[in-house]
This record gives sequence, structure tokens and C-alpha cells, in this order.
Amino acid sequence: NAGVTQTPKFRILKIGQSMTLQCAQDMNHNYMYWYRQDPGMGLKLIYYSVGAGITDKGEVPNGYNVSRSTTEDFPLRLELAAPSQTSVYFCASSGGLSGANVLTFGAGSRLTVL
Amino acid sequence: GNSVTQMEGPVTLSEEAFLTINCTYTATGYPSLFWYVQYPGEGLQLLLKATKADDKGSNKGFEATYRKETTSFHLEKGSVQVSDSAVYFCALRDNYGQNFVFGPGTRLSVLP
Repeated sequence: NAGVTQTPKFRILKIGQSMTLQCAQDMNHNYMYWYRQDPGMGLKLIYYSVGAGITDKGEVPNGYNVSRSTTEDFPLRLELAAPSQTSVYFCASSGGLSGANVLTFGAGSRLTVL
Repeated sequence: GNSVTQMEGPVTLSEEAFLTINCTYTATGYPSLFWYVQYPGEGLQLLLKATKADDKGSNKGFEATYRKETTSFHLEKGSVQVSDSAVYFCALRDNYGQNFVFGPGTRLSVLP
């Protein structure tokens, strides 16, 4: 049981470049989330999804986009990278009988924009 | 809106010392409360949880009791180990959806 898998683990981007952070879960969870964690700070919610085909903005959605075409996958897209998007990004999921009410996190993706 | 406040870190303790990390929350209704732990270079892992007032969550020697009267969920451990060095996050989930709110985290360093 892999849980939540994020790729890549590390990435360096130049200002204005685009990229997609991949997230997949194999627990059949309905809910999926993207958070960012800045140094010394807590987690801020970027986007979340309550099921395939349904997404909604979190606290800090500007500069990002998401899609949820399947239950398993929830990619996060950065269209025009900016230095302010340098952060560690965490994908998480919850739901199902055993996963209800609890978040399961991926290992994180560290992004640096230069 | 909902919010979580944690004591400022970093916290530095000697091995076998007693640990308390304070957490208070603001929320409507009856949220579920959590402690997550983040070891260096890793994602967050659930440490313990409590879903209703007076519940006590416990795991790996850590405990926290859901106190609705003081809106608190303080984390305690009687004897910390070097391996407990990590960042600890208090969090809540409201009962109206699946949105979680996290505190800023408290970094704990345990010295041998």
C-alpha cells in the first residue's frame, strides 16, 4: 500500500517556467488537498477536491491550477513560476472507512524558483 | 473562522525530560483535533487524534486530551527521547466538511 505518492521530490525552475507536481493515492479516498509549507511556517491550503471532477480554492490559490479527472490523481500546475512560489508542497488525502477524518500526507515536493 | 494557536518554538529539552506543547483552538461546533509530527525531510504523519470532548488521544508515549471548556489540546510526553526531535503540528477539522486547519508548528529538539 503506497499511500500518497508525490513526484518530483525536488525541482528548480526559472522565473516564468511552468510545471506540474504530480500526486496519486491508492486508498480510494474522495478528498484530496494541496498545501504549501514555507520555512518556519505552518501549512497553507492551496486547493482541494471532494471527488473526481470537483475542485475548490483554498487559502492561497493564486498562481496555481488543479484538476481531478480521476479519484486517484490530483496534479497541481504552476503556470508562470515566481520566486514567491519557492516552497515545499504537500499533497494529502482523506476519506473512506479507515481514512475518514484523518489526513494522509505525501513525502513532499521541494520547489525552488530562481 | 477556525484557527489553531500553538506555543512558539523552538523547544529544546534534555533526554528523559517532560514535554508539554500547548495548543488552543477557535472553532464553531465540535471539531475533531489532531497532532501531526514531521520528522526532518519527511511529510507529516498523524501522531494522535480526539474526536469529542474529554477524549484522550495517545500514541508512542504522547498524550493529549480534548478540553472543550478551555478549547485546548495540549500535547504531553513524560520522558522524551532524542528520536522525538521533530516539528509538531496541532490541527483541527470542522464537522461541516473535510477542511483541516493547522497551527504553525513547534520545533522540538531533544539533546542526549
